[in-house]
Amino acid sequence: DQQVKQNSPSLSVQEGRISILNCDYTNSMFDYFLWYKKYPAEGPTFLISISSIKDKNEDGRFTVFLNKSAKHLSLHIVPSQPGDSAVYFCALEETSGSRLTFGEGTQLTVNP
Amino acid sequence: NAGVTQTPKFQVLKTGQSMTLQCAQDMNHNSMYWYRQDPGMGLRLIYYSASEGTTDKGEVPNGYNVSRLNKREFSLRLESAAPSQTSVYFCASSGGGGTGSPLHFGNGTRLTVT
Repeated sequence: DQQVKQNSPSLSVQEGRISILNCDYTNSMFDYFLWYKKYPAEGPTFLISISSIKDKNEDGRFTVFLNKSAKHLSLHIVPSQPGDSAVYFCALEETSGSRLTFGEGTQLTVNP
Repeated sequence: NAGVTQTPKFQVLKTGQSMTLQCAQDMNHNSMYWYRQDPGMGLRLIYYSASEGTTDKGEVPNGYNVSRLNKREFSLRLESAAPSQTSVYFCASSGGGGTGSPLHFGNGTRLTVT
């Protein structure tokens, strides 16, 4: 069973508007929740993270929200810019700390 | 800053051939990882090494072997390549688990097995 799911394979938004990317998980054995961004022909790069003891973390235009009761994680980008167009992966770190489990990814396209 | 360096960038193999993917990091990280990325499936962990001298299986280890040569280098070997191993392979490193420290990825090796 897939433990981490990003149910939207793609998302298209207008420049300047808000982008909301979602991630759901199925159990509670994760301590840290991370978002990565990936451009074509490059490796994923770290964007922002949140620990399980918090419900919000903000870094400039990027905010991550964690709803532990709903087992739901979201990334808000506001305002969205064309350079934000990329694949976004959520990644969850197990309590043991040994590895990350990734979602399937969401392709974000920001239209000028 | 080189970060994580993977070689080669591209490779085409015939079924049954073998090859080794090389990975090196210059960030003095303890942990290193090999992932594969397939369309619609995200990144799946093949093997990881929490520290020099240790290796452990990830989610999809079958058909692969790894060697943590030293703290800097972590190689992935395909002994007998199969078409199902056609994928993009990413090596990554991090300071260590349990703290949310992010992974740093290389730019990937695109492997095609015919």
